[in-house]
Amino acid sequence: AQRVTQPEKLLSVFKGAPVELKCNYSYSGSPELFWYVQYSRQRLQLLLRHISRESIKGFTADLNKGETSFHLKKPFAQEEDSAMYYCALSPYNTDKLIFGTGTRLQVFP
Amino acid sequence: ETGVTQSPTHLIKTRGQQVTLRCSSQSGHNTVSWYQQALGQGPQFIFQYYREEENGRGNFPPRFSGLQFPNYSSELNVNALELDDSALYLCASSLGGLAGAGELFFGEGSRLTVL
Repeated sequence: AQRVTQPEKLLSVFKGAPVELKCNYSYSGSPELFWYVQYSRQRLQLLLRHISRESIKGFTADLNKGETSFHLKKPFAQEEDSAMYYCALSPYNTDKLIFGTGTRLQVFP
Repeated sequence: ETGVTQSPTHLIKTRGQQVTLRCSSQSGHNTVSWYQQALGQGPQFIFQYYREEENGRGNFPPRFSGLQFPNYSSELNVNALELDDSALYLCASSLGGLAGAGELFFGEGSRLTVL
């Protein structure tokens, strides 16, 4: 079964602390993995995708096929990072995303 | 560049009624997907339209149906509404094909409440 699991509903950290939002997936094939973010009063938007191997707003995510994980990391959290983060899986070359349940990140000053 | 727009933003219906939600895709996008987001959950894929044809469907009953028009705008229709249909319905447009795979541009959603 195709599934994305985000075990934490809420992650609270202080400004400047490292952040890791966990994502595990189940898929029998070559998935593409994404992180989407929703800031307060804004629409859901793409943060980054694994094939780009880029850093966006200081966030990075590495696909670990052995552990079927795609954790999102940032070394020093900022208050403006507070948002809802969704990990998503796309069966190869499609736009039909399977989302996790999301993790709310709260960054305190 | 115009983003994805959805209407209405909020609506209330009663069980058994029918509802139509509308979506205008982002300029240049030929693919529209619909997602249902229940409270506390991630978006769930309902179906996708590509150049006016259904191009994949999630685990939703046939009373969920859709259309895509020549200008790539789209409608989501739900018949015989049930209480569990209460959710935020998100429309997302994309380029389709390999170029834009996985990058969806979302609207703000239509919040449906079924009483």
